[in-house]
Amino acid sequence: NAGVTQTPKFQVLKTGQSMTLQCAQDMNHNSMYWYRQDPGMGLRLIYYSASEGTTDKGEVPNGYNVSRLNKREFSLRLESAAPSQTSVYFCASSEAWWTLNEQFFGPGTRLTVL
Amino acid sequence: AQKITQTQPGMFVQEKEAVTLDCTYDTSDPSYGLFWYKQPSSGEMIFLIYQGSYDQQNATEGRYSLNFQKARKSANLVISASQLGDSAMYFCAMRGTNTGNQFYFGTGTSLTVIP
Repeated sequence: NAGVTQTPKFQVLKTGQSMTLQCAQDMNHNSMYWYRQDPGMGLRLIYYSASEGTTDKGEVPNGYNVSRLNKREFSLRLESAAPSQTSVYFCASSEAWWTLNEQFFGPGTRLTVL
Repeated sequence: AQKITQTQPGMFVQEKEAVTLDCTYDTSDPSYGLFWYKQPSSGEMIFLIYQGSYDQQNATEGRYSLNFQKARKSANLVISASQLGDSAMYFCAMRGTNTGNQFYFGTGTSLTVIP
């Protein structure tokens, strides 16, 4: 099992460029998440998807959009990148809320916006 | 509101000694899960251990154990026989039945194991 995969691993953008971060999980999980982690800080939730067809804002959604393409895939789009979006982005997945089970994380995408 | 507090930004421990990383939480959910994750310098988030709020016994996974004190709302991670590879950031997290799909993370504790 690959678990949670993310592409790309690294990306450098110029201010104003757009890009999509891809995430896929093969654990048949209902819920998927996008977090950002800034240096020396914890995780901040950008968006999450409780199930296929639903998405909800987290703590820091501004400047991002998401798409839950199917049960496996959850993408994060930056429409017009800004230097403040330089961060490490983690995708995660988990079973449905009533299980109270853990999240599984992808390896992260290190994004630099110049 | 759900909140996780980790009050130790940095900790040092001698190799082969035990160390306790503190975590307190605040929730009104009737049942919830508590988690610890390890983030080494390579950056990945590694799940270590889980404690359910209704579990009668403290969780253990190898050298990791969770000292769960429900009345005090604390879920401290105990690492026994520390190894150099334990040097990493450690995050405490929680999810509850009412807040369901969201996980709440603490700010982390940086552990350094000294040879």
